Amino acid sequence: QVRLQESGPGLVKPSETLSLTCTVSGGSISTSYYWSWIRQPPGKGLEWIAYIYYNGRTNYNASLKSRLAISVDTSKNQFSLKLTSVTAADTAIYYCARGDGVYGHDYWGQGTLVTVSS
Amino acid sequence: QSVLTQPPSASGAPGRRVTISCSGSSSNIGSNPVNWYQQFPGTAPKLLIYGPNQRPSGVPDRFSGSKSGTSASLAISGLQSEDEADYYCTAWDDSLRGWVFGGGTKLTVL
Repeated sequence: QVRLQESGPGLVKPSETLSLTCTVSGGSISTSYYWSWIRQPPGKGLEWIAYIYYNGRTNYNASLKSRLAISVDTSKNQFSLKLTSVTAADTAIYYCARGDGVYGHDYWGQGTLVTVSS
Repeated sequence: QSVLTQPPSASGAPGRRVTISCSGSSSNIGSNPVNWYQQFPGTAPKLLIYGPNQRPSGVPDRFSGSKSGTSASLAISGLQSEDEADYYCTAWDDSLRGWVFGGGTKLTVL
């Protein structure tokens, strides 16, 4: 059973960089699946942020692309997200998830709340 | 504003059938499978249906999905109190080259 766990600071100041890591267990990250970040502002809907394959191939949400960087560390079975110049609008629960073209996203982490506030 | 359009709420009595709609365009629903997620408060979304009408192991056959043109629907038959949750549709968008979601529908079991 694949499990994903997000980790990172729960509070980030405006204009700073949000950094999160997702650790994958119960299976290798080096598979044909891609690994996504998805966020959900409190009380609102879901927004796909980006995904990455184990070989480093990426795809970013165009609306966030200029502030985004996503990376993968296959030796640690982890992938990471960096979002720069954050504002209050970036306050959300951030989920990491496994995805493919058939199932969409079938395994999700529990999510981590990141609040942008001074 | 979400790319896919869902009604914000839906309701039904126990035992009845309810449907939740999801409207999109030719670049997403019109050309790609639609998946549905169920989300309870404080928990991560759970894959319920993957396109167009396949259920992951453990999902009851009371849940079914369908698609016609640029619209999709989730049907829940034999409604139970434990079905009270938020439901989201999603599809790949060929123009945006990314995943898009509906705004979610809150289902209330009366």
